[in-house]
Amino acid sequence: ETGVTQTPRHLVMGMTNKKSLKCEQHLGHNAMYWYKQSAKKPLELMFVYSLEERVENNSVPSRFSPECPNSSHLFLHLHTLQPEDSALYLCASSQGVVMNTEAFFGQGTRLTVV
Amino acid sequence: AQSVAQPEDQVNVAEGNPLTVKCTYSVSGNPYLFWYVQYPNRGLQFLLKYITGDNLVKGSYGFEAEFNKSQTSFHLKKPSALVSDSALYFCAVRDLTSGGSYIPTFGRGTSLIVHP
Repeated sequence: ETGVTQTPRHLVMGMTNKKSLKCEQHLGHNAMYWYKQSAKKPLELMFVYSLEERVENNSVPSRFSPECPNSSHLFLHLHTLQPEDSALYLCASSQGVVMNTEAFFGQGTRLTVV
Repeated sequence: AQSVAQPEDQVNVAEGNPLTVKCTYSVSGNPYLFWYVQYPNRGLQFLLKYITGDNLVKGSYGFEAEFNKSQTSFHLKKPSALVSDSALYFCAVRDLTSGGSYIPTFGRGTSLIVHP
């Protein structure tokens, strides 16, 4: 285990549903990230939070809404998703966003939109 | 802008043989370089990183990588492959120069298959 826990591990949702992904880290890190991993595509950074403030938003559609209530928890709220949003969603954390620190990843949530 | 390329989608090697997974990068200045591994149905795990100093970096599970500035490469190597090394490997780079993004850019990943 890496110290980063994601729930649920698997999620199937309809296009009209609202659901949330949860990430929790027990490493004392103060930066957290959401990534999207689709087959045959590079890892896509979605959001970055540093000290609970969003510092990066890579042109992600508004149907994805992040929330970082404290430095240990990160949520990704989902609504009216499209089938192409089906992917593995990975949460990661690091000690700050300084350049020489590595990230610790959770196991991911496998999302299927039907 | 920073970028990283992993030219091989898949690498096949026999157990016990040496393995190499290739990575080349492009940055404006000096790079920070990382390798991660992803086992099936798992998140990415950090293997090793190059920040500065010795060009040969040793990491977890017997892996090492060599930083080659002239060839802008950071290939991952292991002297003797194990079947359990079969996984997806990602190279990542961060640009050290002022104004460079602190967010790493990941390659597309290389699937390593080690045959018994």
